[in-house]
Amino acid sequence: GNSVTQMEGPVTLSEEAFLTINCTYTATGYPSLFWYVQYPGEGLQLLLKATKADDKGSNKGFEATYRKETTSFHLEKGSVQVSDSAVYFCALRLIQGAQKLVFGQGTRLTINP
Amino acid sequence: DAMVIQNPRYQVTQFGKPVTLSCSQTLNHNVMYWYQQKSSQAPKLLFHYYDKDFNNEADTPDNFQSRRPNTSFCFLDIRSPGLGDAAMYLCATRGASTDTQYFGPGTRLTVL
Repeated sequence: GNSVTQMEGPVTLSEEAFLTINCTYTATGYPSLFWYVQYPGEGLQLLLKATKADDKGSNKGFEATYRKETTSFHLEKGSVQVSDSAVYFCALRLIQGAQKLVFGQGTRLTINP
Repeated sequence: DAMVIQNPRYQVTQFGKPVTLSCSQTLNHNVMYWYQQKSSQAPKLLFHYYDKDFNNEADTPDNFQSRRPNTSFCFLDIRSPGLGDAAMYLCATRGASTDTQYFGPGTRLTVL
């Protein structure tokens, strides 16, 4: 079946630290991959996406590369800020039918000043 | 500026008392989705509409229903809420020719 596995949280870092949140997936075919971010009390916001192998999505200093050989889409940021504290969800989009999103379990990130 | 609006943001209901959650969009998107997100879990798709066509997920309980009277609005009806239905309910939309879903802020449902 189709599934997404994320690095378990919570993750706590100091400001300006390097961030990696691991994400691997299982899917039939070649899905599009997404990272969504959820700030406290809010809905999900699209952070970045990649639609095919070797594509790199980037936004607000975050990056993730679609690696077909390792079925991974790890999220990275070189220098995190307190304002990056949120829950991060990795997701894949099924190509067929509703094109629904299949989410990972989410990783809670806390950045301390 | 709000593109996907959900009302109310917080809803409290009693066990077994029907409740309706509302979603509206200003994006004129064809597709509208309802997700259920329980505490510390990933969102789970309940159903979606492609225009007027309703599509239920196989494991969505019959207790959950939906209506889409027009392009802009979509409602989630819970006929007899149980304690296990307490969750955040997220509405999302997508244009027919795009791959990105836009989410509303969610409605947090409490069942007493």
